[in-house]
Amino acid sequence: EPEVTQTPSHQVTQMGQEVILRCVPISNHLYFYWYRQILGQKVEFLVSFYNNEISEKSEIFDDQFSVERPDGSNFTLKIRSTKLEDSAMYFCASRMAGAGNTIYFGEGSWLTVV
Amino acid sequence: AQTVTQSQPEMSVQEAETVTLSCTYDTSENNYYLFWYKQPPSRQMILVIRQEAYKQQNATENRFSVNFQKAAKSFSLKISDSQLGDTAMYFCAFMKPLTQGGSEKLVFGKGMKLTVNP
Repeated sequence: EPEVTQTPSHQVTQMGQEVILRCVPISNHLYFYWYRQILGQKVEFLVSFYNNEISEKSEIFDDQFSVERPDGSNFTLKIRSTKLEDSAMYFCASRMAGAGNTIYFGEGSWLTVV
Repeated sequence: AQTVTQSQPEMSVQEAETVTLSCTYDTSENNYYLFWYKQPPSRQMILVIRQEAYKQQNATENRFSVNFQKAAKSFSLKISDSQLGDTAMYFCAFMKPLTQGGSEKLVFGKGMKLTVNP
């Protein structure tokens, strides 16, 4: 069964460093997402991406964050200058075109900022 | 803005028993989608079941079924014949259809920790 894959599974980084989280969405999916889950809290929407541009972003997704689909398969989340509060599990997700189609999640990338 | 409320932070059940997880939501939309996701200790988010609001029939998926009460804005999940592998966090989520300038995204509740005991 096709799945969303994410790398790395866990990354530890120094505060102020840049981090890139990578995702390979399911191949025939057209909508891509990043969500974040701080430990013990609920899953929060960060950004959605369609047709090579951001379609919606949350208040969390400030200028420190960016997303890119550099080729036909990868979808990346970049955090330019990490802060301690960026420590969280980051989930990539994707879905097919069409109203209400299920969003499928990857296994997550656990980011620890020290 | 839509909100999703899971009022029970934690529940436990004996193996083979039935358990019901509650979820309520708030929206002014008439058409939308509801989901239950499971997050085991591995932390992956796994779809359990989905419901379209325009369908009156409650969704079922093997041992999992929902009780969807649109007027009450309630969407509970029933797990029958609980198994040890059902131990996980369970998140209720709401999705409104695509609107101009927006995107279909999930709004999650805070989650509920279910423990199935042997």
